Amino acid sequence: GQQLNQSPQSMFIQEGEDVSMNCTSSSIFNTWLWYKQDPGEGPVLLIALYKAGELTSNGRLTAQFGITRKDSFLNISASIPSDVGIYFCAGQLRTGNQFYFGTGTSLTVIP
Amino acid sequence: NAGVMQNPRHLVRRRGQEARLRCSPMKGHSHVYWYRQLPEEGLKFMVYLQKENIIDESGMPKERFSAEFPKEGPSILRIQQVVRGDSAAYFCASSYRQVLSNQPQHFGDGTRLSIL
Repeated sequence: GQQLNQSPQSMFIQEGEDVSMNCTSSSIFNTWLWYKQDPGEGPVLLIALYKAGELTSNGRLTAQFGITRKDSFLNISASIPSDVGIYFCAGQLRTGNQFYFGTGTSLTVIP
Repeated sequence: NAGVMQNPRHLVRRRGQEARLRCSPMKGHSHVYWYRQLPEEGLKFMVYLQKENIIDESGMPKERFSAEFPKEGPSILRIQQVVRGDSAAYFCASSYRQVLSNQPQHFGDGTRLSIL
C-alpha cells in the first residue's frame, strides 16, 4: 500500500507557540485531509484540500496542498491546551476509493 | 463525531468466537468505509460499501472477515474465529457521495475489540 510519512512523530510545545507538521508521499495524491484524534475517540476532520497549491484555514489551523501533489502541511497558530491530540494526514490517489493515513503526529501542549 | 454511530464501543471475545461490529452512517450518507487501527498507528483501509454492494474490499483479509451494508439497518463488520491479532480499534466512516467526488469521510468513535 501507499506509504505516507508524517513528521514530526511527536511534539512538546509551550502554550501560545505555533506548530508545523507535514506529510509526504512517494505518489501523487488528488485529495489531502487532516484529522485530529483524541484518546478513545474517532478522528475528527479538520481541513480538506482538493487542489494543488490550495491553502485553507479553519480558525487557528491552516493547511496547504503541496504544489508537487506529494505533500501537505498543517500549521496551528497560538496553540492552546485543547490542541493536545494526535494529528493524522490522509491522502487519496486519483484513482481508487480509499484514503491512506499517515502514522500521526502526537502534540503535547504545556500550559 | 455525532452522526456516525458505532456499537458496541468495547467488545471482548475469546479466541475462536465471532465478533460483530455495527455502524450506522450519518443521516443521508449511503457510503460506508471500515478502517482498522492498531495502537500508535494510523488507520488502515479495509472495505468500502454502498447500500447492498461491496465496492472495494482490497484492504480486507481474505479469510474470516466479511462486511455488509443491507438496504435497511446498519453496516456490519463480521470477524469469525477471532485470533489475538484481531485486537484493534475498528472505525467506520461515512460520506454522502463516493470519495472521488470530493466528499470527505466522517468517522464514528470506533469499536475497541479485545481478544482474550
